[in-house]
Amino acid sequence: ETGVTQSPTHLIKTRGQQVTLRCSSQSGHNTVSWYQQALGQGPQFIFQYYREEENGRGNFPPRFSGLQFPNYSSELNVNALELDDSALYLCASSRDLGGRYNEQFFGPGTRLTVL
Amino acid sequence: SQQGEEDPQALSIQEGENATMNCSYKTSINNLQWYRQNSGRGLVHLILIRSNEREKHSGRLRVTLDTSKKSSSLLITASRAADTASYFCATVGASGGSYIPTFGRGTSLIVHP
Repeated sequence: ETGVTQSPTHLIKTRGQQVTLRCSSQSGHNTVSWYQQALGQGPQFIFQYYREEENGRGNFPPRFSGLQFPNYSSELNVNALELDDSALYLCASSRDLGGRYNEQFFGPGTRLTVL
Repeated sequence: SQQGEEDPQALSIQEGENATMNCSYKTSINNLQWYRQNSGRGLVHLILIRSNEREKHSGRLRVTLDTSKKSSSLLITASRAADTASYFCATVGASGGSYIPTFGRGTSLIVHP
């Protein structure tokens, strides 16, 4: 069974640029969630995708957007990068069985630095 | 906003000692989970306790939940240097159909060999 993978591991961008982060779900999982973790903080929920549709969103502006593909892999896109976007971005996958909480499995994260 | 708040923020102990971390939360929950994170890497799920449970064990880990006090504790017995990590509690709400866990800021644990 393959775990959750994320790419790239590290990324440096400048303010105003755009970035795309990628996540491959664990085998058999159909739901992907993205989190932002600033230094010294806990992960903050960005959004979740289920069957290629956004299925919940945290308190993040529209310049944070995502996609989920038929193979359940996912992308997180951030436009017009700001310095405060510097963080560890975590992807988590789960198998939604409908109507109940399902354990999430996290990837190793992508460390984004915005200069 | 962060639902769970861990206490203490940092904990430093010697190998072999027990480590206790606490988590307080504000609203009714469906379940509460504890995670571990090594050096800014991905989170590893340790244990989940449901709102109708009071205590769970997993190896050297013991988790308690007191819904009347809206608090949980994580006990690591006979700690090892390899337990050095950040530990987070996360709550899943009881209402609204949302099963997104809300994380606290974490407790940084250092176990000295």
